[in-house]
Amino acid sequence: DGGITQSPKYLFRKEGQNVTLSCEQNLNHDAMYWYRQDPGQGLRLIYYSQIVNDFQKGDIAEGYSVSREKKESFPLTVTSAQKNPTAFYLCASSISENTEAFFGQGTRLTVV
Amino acid sequence: SQKIEQNSEALNIQEGKTATLTCNYTNYSPAYLQWYRQDPGRGPVFLLLIRENEKEKRKERLKVTFDTTLKQSLFHITASQPADSATYLCALDKLIFGTGTRLQVFP
Repeated sequence: DGGITQSPKYLFRKEGQNVTLSCEQNLNHDAMYWYRQDPGQGLRLIYYSQIVNDFQKGDIAEGYSVSREKKESFPLTVTSAQKNPTAFYLCASSISENTEAFFGQGTRLTVV
Repeated sequence: SQKIEQNSEALNIQEGKTATLTCNYTNYSPAYLQWYRQDPGRGPVFLLLIRENEKEKRKERLKVTFDTTLKQSLFHITASQPADSATYLCALDKLIFGTGTRLQVFP
């Protein structure tokens, strides 16, 4: 089945630790995105990538890092510099930046 | 920078009525506008995409309009059902999302 997979669904980390969220797609999409969603809020763009080995910062990139070494994969690292990392993280992919996006099931990160 | 606004208050309507949700934007002229549905704890699901040269688009009970003069898109669900209850998000091109409007359809 084609789709986009985020793992894990739930993640707990201690404050001060870096954590990497996985996002894999087998849709052959060029564009991939990471969003953060806080309770009752919309989606805020963290990073996006339109092609392998290239990515751009979104509105709230501080404290996060990404890589795009393969077309299928776009992992997000939440660093200890992110002041309030507890949130619901969503990854998406699309053929290009102006076509419909497919979302993963999300990762709920809790930092204690 | 571009700003996209949706009514943050929940919309409550009775089953069978038409739900109308609003998406306004400023400081931008998008080539496309998209609408998504999001259920609690899940990722958004794509519903409709409308281009700037299209005034209206339909898909089953859904209808989207795009007024580039008013900088506004309206999303309509006709003959609404309790299963339509969800949060609906609009997005400008480059996938910049609004905050979403929660729709509750009661029997």
